[in-house]
Amino acid sequence: AQSVTQLDSQVPVFEEAPVELRCNYSSSVSVYLFWYVQYPNQGLQLLLKYLSGSTLVKGINGFEAEFNKSQTSFHLRKPSVHISDTAEYFCAVSGAHNTDKLIFGTGTRLQVFP
Amino acid sequence: DTEVTQTPKHLVMGMTNKKSLKCEQHMGHRAMYWYKQKAKKPPELMFVYSYEKLSINESVPSRFSPECPNSSLLNLHLHALQPEDSALYLCASSQVFGNQPQHFGDGTRLSIL
Repeated sequence: AQSVTQLDSQVPVFEEAPVELRCNYSSSVSVYLFWYVQYPNQGLQLLLKYLSGSTLVKGINGFEAEFNKSQTSFHLRKPSVHISDTAEYFCAVSGAHNTDKLIFGTGTRLQVFP
Repeated sequence: DTEVTQTPKHLVMGMTNKKSLKCEQHMGHRAMYWYKQKAKKPPELMFVYSYEKLSINESVPSRFSPECPNSSLLNLHLHALQPEDSALYLCASSQVFGNQPQHFGDGTRLSIL
């Protein structure tokens, strides 16, 4: 079974500063990893995904994440945040089998201040 | 614009009412999902349909009844709900079930009086 941990429940940051949202996973098999963003009163939007290949994954809105197998991590980064990035961010993991469910972390609230 | 459409956006109902939530996607996806999300929590999986057949029921109470009339539509029938069922109900779809990115709708905000 897979699990995912987001250690930071809230991350406050000033506009134009860099940010890193941490995600660690646990699995005994190969995994697929995802980051989703949820803006207020909306559903979840896929930011980026790691399925295989290059460990540095680029997503939408200037976000990127790096898959680190040895550290079982998939941290999300953005070099310069905007006020509009204020949202809830969920890391999620799925096993490689075609019947594996998506397991979500508890979420990180990114609050960008002017 | 979301590619998964959910209606209604908001729903208020009494504990004795019967109502339905609807979800539609036209991406040709063959897996569809219902999630429940409480405030400040991650989504919790309720049901999975794969090729219009129910594949997973996460021990959801029978007052929630899913239905998949065809590959584009997913319904969630509600009856005799409890106040603790108030939540955001999210529908999602993916190309097939398992290890695929899921596309989410904006959800139905349900309030039980």
